[in-house]
Amino acid sequence: GEDVEQSLFLSVREGDSSVINCTYTDSSSTYLYWYKQEPGAGLQLLTYIFSNMDMKQDQRLTVLLNKKDKHLSLRIADTQTGDSAIYFCAESPFASSASKIIFGSGTRLSIRP
Amino acid sequence: NAGVTQTPKFQVLKTGQSMTLQCAQDMNHNSMYWYRQDPGMGLRLIYYSASEGTTDKGEVPNGYNVSRLNKREFSLRLESAAPSQTSVYFCASKGQGAHEQYFGPGTRLTVT
Repeated sequence: GEDVEQSLFLSVREGDSSVINCTYTDSSSTYLYWYKQEPGAGLQLLTYIFSNMDMKQDQRLTVLLNKKDKHLSLRIADTQTGDSAIYFCAESPFASSASKIIFGSGTRLSIRP
Repeated sequence: NAGVTQTPKFQVLKTGQSMTLQCAQDMNHNSMYWYRQDPGMGLRLIYYSASEGTTDKGEVPNGYNVSRLNKREFSLRLESAAPSQTSVYFCASKGQGAHEQYFGPGTRLTVT
């Protein structure tokens, strides 16, 4: 069945890089997503990667995809206090319909001064 | 644009009571979704609607019903609330062919 797994917590020092990891089981996943949830709010899409890509960079964010190991990571460079949030990894077989997106349990990122 | 709005923001129910959670989007999106979020479990899909007039079960539909009233509105009904339905409920919408689901601010429901 479909499953997405993430560690629950990550603590980093301000200014360091944060790396949040995710593994998924559905080999038919076409799109993989990273969503951010700030306290008391809904989820916001941060970035996504298509399964035929290995890497995607967007300003401070770098997404790496290892399809063989079904492993996805999100690297946040120069982590700031505003990056404190829960980060959700998610997968979807395709985006052109209302097909389901399967979310992981979320990784809570906390920033140390 | 208000995006996705949800009402109410908070609700406390007694076991056995019923209520309807309301969701509306003003982005002309075809698809709408209801999720519940529980600690350590991420988001689980309850029901979704691919387009006006259609609804389908998600991962955890038991104890819930939905109505896609029109293109804008998608409501979630609890007919007989149970303590296991204590959760934060999120509504989301997505445009045709788009990647991003847009989420509402959530409804925090407590069933005692």
